[in-house]
Amino acid sequence: GAGVSQSPSNKVTEKGKDVELRCDPISGHTALYWYRQRLGQGLEFLIYFQGNSAPDKSGLPSDRFSAERTGESVSTLTIQRTQQEDSAVYLCASSWRGSREEKLFFGSGTQLSVL
Amino acid sequence: AQRVTQPEKLLSVFKGAPVELKCNYSYSGSPELFWYVQYSRQRLQLLLRHISRESIKGFTADLNKGETSFHLKKPFAQEEDSAMYYCAPPMNYGGSQGNLIFGKGTKLSVKP
Repeated sequence: GAGVSQSPSNKVTEKGKDVELRCDPISGHTALYWYRQRLGQGLEFLIYFQGNSAPDKSGLPSDRFSAERTGESVSTLTIQRTQQEDSAVYLCASSWRGSREEKLFFGSGTQLSVL
Repeated sequence: AQRVTQPEKLLSVFKGAPVELKCNYSYSGSPELFWYVQYSRQRLQLLLRHISRESIKGFTADLNKGETSFHLKKPFAQEEDSAMYYCAPPMNYGGSQGNLIFGKGTKLSVKP
């Protein structure tokens, strides 16, 4: 595709429900990142994948959050038993980890609203 | 921990005034830092990177090793510069393990 694609673009859910957010990175990009952006706040790093592996999951806010990546491509961020404080825009970015001057390409995000 | 820091959450200037968005870092050597920008209702995107020594949309950023800073500057701000600006760490710095923790961001508001 032309860029990083995220789906859905908007998700409204009830407190306590599980949600899955999807990210399709740019083809060939080996690195994939998830960030959270609360209203009026900066970027909060969640997790990073190199290939299908996530070397460090310490950025995930709680054990209700999990993420996986398959085929060195699509990644899914799952939030179980959603809470109102999970409401935010969830951003995905990808890059090719080949050099120090590489850049991140961001998706347009998933706006999650937990009622 | 190694990081980038943006001390200002909000910066408001008038059109035509100079603007400087501050970023300080704690990496050793000459880190390859970046500035990203997010305009209203648009994707977060790269503005400029240290290694390119470029000027994008009139913005420049110089790495100052003595002050460990990478401030973003523009001599004459325009209303269309209003956006959220993020200072970003090196992409592939030894020891970072891929946890790219951006600065908290500075919201620039350029008033007419």
